[in-house]
Amino acid sequence: DAGITQSPRHKVTETGTPVTLRCHQTENHRYMYWYRQDPGHGLRLIHYSYGVKDTDKGEVSDGYSVSRSKTEDFLLTLESATSSQTSVYFCAIRAIFVGPQHFGDGTRLSIL
Amino acid sequence: SQQGEEDPQALSIQEGENATMNCSYKTSINNLQWYRQNSGRGLVHLILIRSNEREKHSGRLRVTLDTSKKSSSLLITASRAADTASYFCATVGYTGANSKLTFGKGITLSVRP
Repeated sequence: DAGITQSPRHKVTETGTPVTLRCHQTENHRYMYWYRQDPGHGLRLIHYSYGVKDTDKGEVSDGYSVSRSKTEDFLLTLESATSSQTSVYFCAIRAIFVGPQHFGDGTRLSIL
Repeated sequence: SQQGEEDPQALSIQEGENATMNCSYKTSINNLQWYRQNSGRGLVHLILIRSNEREKHSGRLRVTLDTSKKSSSLLITASRAADTASYFCATVGYTGANSKLTFGKGITLSVRP
């Protein structure tokens, strides 16, 4: 299995609070991704990174920011969490830009 | 917006039977990939088929790709209860160096013992 660790695995927080999710990889892959998974929507891309300090928006980036200061870590931040951001968040990594992605086991985030 | 659309949305079969799942997409692709997701876990890559390939095998999995119809199918032969999971197709388009995967909404497969 690819070495991807997401933390925390579960989190419950209140509306308006900041939340940071962490994705850590041990594979030295260049590409990293954050997705959210919701019933009826499948997986939707939030942000992705194609190198240290190189990031770009996905299709559902509003309300989210990311940072990648080193190859192994990709952080997703909800600046002011809203109930609509309750979801399961997945991190994925990829070695080459058209290759397969390898996923972490997700973070279940509930915003009350 | 989703590029891949899987069909059917749900499939229930008996152990030992074959399971066929279909995926359609809308724009030109570099490759198409199939993933499996067990309950409460992340997605696991199953197989990748390039746009210039028509068929690919991996163990009990067979994937076909018809670029003229913009469709793909995943066949799981001799299914087992452990194949119970959600299956997703995902496409990679020609969008330059930072091409992304676009996922469908998935198919729920239940294999009855």
